[in-house]
Amino acid sequence: KAGVTQTPRYLIKTRGQQVTLSCSPISGHRSVSWYQQTPGQGLQFLFEYFSETQRNKGNFPGRFSGRQFSNSRSEMNVSTLELGDSALYLCASSLSLLAGTSYNEQFFGPGTRLTVL
Amino acid sequence: AQSVAQPEDQVNVAEGNPLTVKCTYSVSGNPYLFWYVQYPNRGLQFLLKYITGDNLVKGSYGFEAEFNKSQTSFHLKKPSALVSDSALYFCAVKSSGSGYSTLTFGKGTMLLVSP
Repeated sequence: KAGVTQTPRYLIKTRGQQVTLSCSPISGHRSVSWYQQTPGQGLQFLFEYFSETQRNKGNFPGRFSGRQFSNSRSEMNVSTLELGDSALYLCASSLSLLAGTSYNEQFFGPGTRLTVL
Repeated sequence: AQSVAQPEDQVNVAEGNPLTVKCTYSVSGNPYLFWYVQYPNRGLQFLLKYITGDNLVKGSYGFEAEFNKSQTSFHLKKPSALVSDSALYFCAVKSSGSGYSTLTFGKGTMLLVSP
């Protein structure tokens, strides 16, 4: 089974621009989460989508947005880029986070390395 | 609010020796606990999870973790370290009673295994 794929793998943008990152989950997975990873802050949760609905949102400004399509593929968009947005953006998919009394693990993609100049 | 602490930024161990990577957590109610590993230029890989049941959980690549409710800890262990185990390790937690909320990750611990 193919893993989580993210495109592009590397991206260089300048301040003020906007960017769209794409994530294709594992086949059959309906939950997609996005994380920002930086050396100083570690892994920070951005948002989670399930069946095209945003179910959870982290503490990020409105410049960060996302969406999920009917095939579970997801995109995240960052508008008006700032230098501090430079990070590794990770996407993770899961069948569904909750499964009865259990909680399914998430499977991560390799990430998109965004550099803002 | 839920939180995870990984008190060591880096752990150094010689190949063949046992290793421990520490994790303590804070949640309201019962925890769901996870360990992930990240190799350079890669995403996170799932190692193991504790949901309920036996306090000793066995996972991938010979790793195991012990859940200790009284100490609110979930330390990652391996009896004999390999050089290839060198990577960044993340502990994560979620409260079992918080519905669809997602995981909170620790800052990560870099494990360096010397030959």
